[in-house]
Amino acid sequence: GQQLNQSPQSMFIQEGEDVSMNCTSSSIFNTWLWYKQEPGEGPVLLIALYKAGELTSNGRLTAQFGITRKDSFLNISASIPSDVGIYFCAGPPDNYGQNFVFGPGTRLSVLP
Amino acid sequence: EPEVTQTPSHQVTQMGQEVILRCVPISNHLYFYWYRQILGQKVEFLVSFYNNEISEKSEIFDDQFSVERPDGSNFTLKIRSTKLEDSAMYFCASSEWGLAREQFFGPGTRLTVL
Repeated sequence: GQQLNQSPQSMFIQEGEDVSMNCTSSSIFNTWLWYKQEPGEGPVLLIALYKAGELTSNGRLTAQFGITRKDSFLNISASIPSDVGIYFCAGPPDNYGQNFVFGPGTRLSVLP
Repeated sequence: EPEVTQTPSHQVTQMGQEVILRCVPISNHLYFYWYRQILGQKVEFLVSFYNNEISEKSEIFDDQFSVERPDGSNFTLKIRSTKLEDSAMYFCASSEWGLAREQFFGPGTRLTVL
């Protein structure tokens, strides 16, 4: 089946640092969505990207839709303790009908 | 702010029993989805539903699973004869414009099969 890869798998950072994570695929995506999940809760949508090259911000979060349409990046600036969670990229691959794929996630830990 | 709600938050059942998981999607959304997340793993797509019929389903969504929109507000997932490996978090999601647009997730139902 279709696979998304995310890196890094996990990261430990100090509060105040910037964070960068990415998501790659062997297939073209028309939409990239970034979600955050905290323990015991459902994924919460952070940013949606619809166009190759698009750069979108949501507060301290910035995400980009890669030009090749096979990758996306999420950056978090000036991290705070409540940024802790698992960040998933997701979307419908161009050749995958109506199915929807999630990446394995990047687990972020913020140290005070 | 409108949100997707799910009940129950936790369901414990015996292997072989039927369970029904309930969801109330956001009221003006037309597309509904079910996902599964086994503990510690990624979120997996099960099924999408639009205009009172399944529009897509994954390999996981076999004959043991069914979905229904019994009225104007609820969206249900039924597992006919639960297996141990069905233990997972089940998330309902909805979107206004279809699969390629933003999907909003509920808080999930934790299903434990004993």
